[in-house]
Amino acid sequence: EAGVAQSPRYKIIEKRQSVAFWCNPISGHATLYWYQQILGQGPKLLIQFQNNGVVDDSQLPKDRFSAERLKGVDSTLKIQPAKLEDSAVYLCASSRQGSGQPQHFGDGTRLSIL
Amino acid sequence: LAKTTQPISMDSYEGQEVNITCSHNNIATNDYITWYQQFPSQGPRFIIQGYKTKVTNEVASLFIPADRKSSTLSLPRVSLSDTAVYYCLVGDRGRTDKLIFGTGTRLQVFP
Repeated sequence: EAGVAQSPRYKIIEKRQSVAFWCNPISGHATLYWYQQILGQGPKLLIQFQNNGVVDDSQLPKDRFSAERLKGVDSTLKIQPAKLEDSAVYLCASSRQGSGQPQHFGDGTRLSIL
Repeated sequence: LAKTTQPISMDSYEGQEVNITCSHNNIATNDYITWYQQFPSQGPRFIIQGYKTKVTNEVASLFIPADRKSSTLSLPRVSLSDTAVYYCLVGDRGRTDKLIFGTGTRLQVFP
């Protein structure tokens, strides 16, 4: 099966600009996750969707970050305005519905803020 | 969610068996133990998951003692391509599958 697709692969912007990332999960996976991974650290969950509904967004900085999954398939994550500390890799993952299903990760978008 | 503690780094040579131990003293009754592997510039990849005793798949084995306060990921006969960061996570398998990643163990395999 095709894996989780993310684009772009790399993005460089200046602080205070906006940026958007796109994720297409594995077909049939109801659950979608966005993670932020800062260099040298493990991934940190930003938001979790179950179909098109938000399950957990407790660690999403809602003043500048937003995410949507309108049709319950692909998803976008937006940052507006970006800050220097947002430099990181943004990972998308998906999993089948149900307990104990492993998460399948994309290769992420590396964001650099100048 | 239970906090995990792993060694920051480990070194090994090709062909050796590598055992990475993870401590999770506050693991809850419903928590499962899951290990992920991450190569540079890639997302984490699921390796193995278990609840108690021993689990084995084509990639690794997971040993969990009776008190479940720790677990050991065993990689048989490692190769250079096993150089990666390995994450141990615990979480309630029956809830949202929310994963909390620590800093992981950086395994370096030498020829």
